[in-house]
Amino acid sequence: SQTIHQWPATLVQPVGSPLSLECTVEGTSNPNLYWYRQAAGRGLQLLFYSVGIGQISSEVPQNLSASRPQDRQFILSSKKLLLSDSGFYLCAWSVEGAVTEAFFGQGTRLTVV
Amino acid sequence: GEDVEQSLFLSVREGDSSVINCTYTDSSSTYLYWYKQEPGAGLQLLTYIFSNMDMKQDQRLTVLLNKKDKHLSLRIADTQTGDSAIYFCALQAGGSYIPTFGRGTSLIVHP
Repeated sequence: SQTIHQWPATLVQPVGSPLSLECTVEGTSNPNLYWYRQAAGRGLQLLFYSVGIGQISSEVPQNLSASRPQDRQFILSSKKLLLSDSGFYLCAWSVEGAVTEAFFGQGTRLTVV
Repeated sequence: GEDVEQSLFLSVREGDSSVINCTYTDSSSTYLYWYKQEPGAGLQLLTYIFSNMDMKQDQRLTVLLNKKDKHLSLRIADTQTGDSAIYFCALQAGGSYIPTFGRGTSLIVHP
């Protein structure tokens, strides 16, 4: 069966520090991968998606970047965090080549102080 | 692009039915989903409906789709305190692998 792992679960970082959030998927090949951010009182904002290794599409220009160094690994990064980067970050995957539901990780609560 | 609207809050009494509504703008939406998010957790798919359907029932859940009015609803019968969560509708056009999510409706169930 397929599983998705996202870590860490919570993170408190000072303004100006770097960020690296990691997401891995098991039990499937070449999944579509997504990073979403959920700010308080708001819905899901799609940040990045990827349909294959090294293929990253950015939906919203901002202080973050994403990379997919391996087929089932998706990393969200920042060189210098801003206060506005605080939020709940969700990684998700869906089946390659099919229009199906997305499967979400448990999320990372990031607080920038 | 697709615009998906949901009311932010719904409060019901335990045992009553809950109806969560969603309206959308893109008539090419082919796949329509309802996700549930419990506090501090990711989203889990509750149910889904295809655009060629008007209704789908799954135990306590009933999904209604009115394509003419571009309106999707989720009815939860006999609502329990464990149903308290945020409910997201999401729409996806055929051939697209990017769903568009509503802002989520926070369902509060009172004992």
